Amino acid sequence: GQSLEQPSEVTAVEGAIVQINCTYQTSGFYGLSWYQQHDGGAPTFLSYNALDGLEETGRFSSFLSRSDSYGYLLLQELQMKDSASYFCAVRVNAGNNRKLIWGLGTSLAVNP
Amino acid sequence: NAGVTQTPKFQVLKTGQSMTLQCAQDMNHNSMYWYRQDPGMGLRLIYYSASEGTTDKGEVPNGYNVSRLNKREFSLRLESAAPSQTSVYFCASSPTGEYGYTFGSGTRLTVV
Repeated sequence: GQSLEQPSEVTAVEGAIVQINCTYQTSGFYGLSWYQQHDGGAPTFLSYNALDGLEETGRFSSFLSRSDSYGYLLLQELQMKDSASYFCAVRVNAGNNRKLIWGLGTSLAVNP
Repeated sequence: NAGVTQTPKFQVLKTGQSMTLQCAQDMNHNSMYWYRQDPGMGLRLIYYSASEGTTDKGEVPNGYNVSRLNKREFSLRLESAAPSQTSVYFCASSPTGEYGYTFGSGTRLTVV
């Protein structure tokens, strides 16, 4: 089967750095994505890694190691508004197409 | 920029009733998706349409049907609603199975 594992909950304080890990077991791996979802809202796309290494977008960075089937999302200078759920998703084959396999999400609580 | 528009936002159905959830995107995306999200279960794919004129089953298609009416619109139909279909439903689109999905704001459905 195909599966993704990420921690269910993470807590941090404002201004700190937090890392959310994601390990995966999938076939036909094409890339790892991260999405943010606030309570009551829709998921929004944050980042995508197809190759090994670190991708940086402002306060958020995402890392991928294909050999380890592992990635992480790094959030720096945490703000209260970063309190949300974060989902990793792996792009895999679906017949002639591609689709996403989703993790169950990590709930991040940022405290003052 | 409307992005992905879903209607209705909220709905209460009685067991056995039918309804159609509407989804439209204005980004000229080829691929569209229907997900359901339940507490602790993450996002589960119901059906997807890789391109206009094609539809395929996802992880949890039972009890649902879809129609890709044209490139813009992708509807989800519940023929005979059951309490197990109480959930939040999200429509999403992407250029061609690519990583950057854009989600609608969701439909909160309760079946009593």
